[in-house]
Amino acid sequence: DTGVSQDPRHKITKRGQNVTFRCDPISEHNRLYWYRQTLGQGPEFLTYFQNEAQLEKSRLLSDRFSAERPKGSFSTLEIQRTEQGDSAMYLCASSSGRIATNEKLFFGSGTQLSVL
Amino acid sequence: DQQVKQNSPSLSVQEGRISILNCDYTNSMFDYFLWYKKYPAEGPTFLISISSIKDKNEDGRFTVFLNKSAKHLSLHIVPSQPGDSAVYFCAASGYNNNDMRFGAGTRLTVKP
Repeated sequence: DTGVSQDPRHKITKRGQNVTFRCDPISEHNRLYWYRQTLGQGPEFLTYFQNEAQLEKSRLLSDRFSAERPKGSFSTLEIQRTEQGDSAMYLCASSSGRIATNEKLFFGSGTQLSVL
Repeated sequence: DQQVKQNSPSLSVQEGRISILNCDYTNSMFDYFLWYKKYPAEGPTFLISISSIKDKNEDGRFTVFLNKSAKHLSLHIVPSQPGDSAVYFCAASGYNNNDMRFGAGTRLTVKP
């Protein structure tokens, strides 16, 4: 399967703990995006990488969130000191070109985070 | 700021009939619009798109219409099939931004 893969699929954690999610994009895609989706809402943009460079961050991404994409391949999203409001589906997507040139995003199946 | 709105959270149609899903946007800088379909426990998958230079794009049973003056787009599915039952997201992007904005989604149920 050469689609976008995310790990883990589900994560249950206690408030205050740190969690880390991984995303492996489609291999030839140089752009990688993180989105968050809560119940009844559409995906909300969090951050975007072009190769290893993090080029844009949403104001939704508080200081407790950090994303990396070493070597421009897989990416990790870490949430420190989790809060109950962080409970959501975290989606990773990749694309081969700039969105402004009408490229579509390919999404992974997401990581469902539950903070107790 | 909700720049892409899907005002109908759900829609139910009979198999074989037409499904019409609607989407409104507020940002006049958007020039590329997409529809994604999402099944439970899966990520959204691309369905169909339209550039602002067009007012219609067709792909098999799926047609997207764009009315720029009204800042409105719609997705028509004809004929609807039970396998089309899913949540449909409208999305939009513009030349000067790197993120894609999504509506809240419409849950379509196609009854056999």
